Amino acid sequence: GQQVMQIPQYQHVQEGEDFTTYCNSSTTLSNIQWYKQRPGGHPVFLIQLVKSGEVKKQKRLTFQFGEAKKNSSLHITATQTTDVGTYFCAGRGSQGNLIFGKGTKLSVKP
Amino acid sequence: GAGVSQSPRYKVAKRGQDVALRCDPISGHVSLFWYQQALGQGPEFLTYFQNEAQLDKSGLPSDRFFAERPEGSVSTLKIQRTQQEDSAVYLCASTTIRGYIEGEQYFGPGTRLTVT
Repeated sequence: GQQVMQIPQYQHVQEGEDFTTYCNSSTTLSNIQWYKQRPGGHPVFLIQLVKSGEVKKQKRLTFQFGEAKKNSSLHITATQTTDVGTYFCAGRGSQGNLIFGKGTKLSVKP
Repeated sequence: GAGVSQSPRYKVAKRGQDVALRCDPISGHVSLFWYQQALGQGPEFLTYFQNEAQLDKSGLPSDRFFAERPEGSVSTLKIQRTQQEDSAVYLCASTTIRGYIEGEQYFGPGTRLTVT
């Protein structure tokens, strides 16, 4: 079935370093969403990308949607301890429901 | 209310027991989703309601799982004869948009179910 793959599974960085997580779909996506889940918390919506090649920025976060609409990335510049959590991408399945990746767990060492 | 609420937050059940998990979506939200999140995994879709109609239950793992939303607001996810593999966090999400969303889903805090 349709899958959304995310790498890496874990990323440990020193505070101030950059961080990137990548998301790949087995099929073309109509759109892709990104969520952040803090430890012990619930997923919180970050952004949605719809257009091929789209790039959106939120302060230190940069989101990209691939030209073929099958991959996406989230890049964080100069990580802070508040960035700790698991970042999920989610693509729309063929039946319409969201399919989440397994997430990238980010830890930041102060 | 300020957001999606779920109860109970934690539930321990003995194998074979039935459980009922409640979700109170944001007032006025038309669409409601249930997800199952196993430890270290992303949320997995279970079922979707638009108002009181259950339009998609393709993600329910077995016929032991049943969901309802009789008045189009509060929803209950029921698991009969719980098994250890049912242990997970059950998340509820809602949105104002009809149909499968093209925008943000608002998640509740989840119910952590442990089956012993």
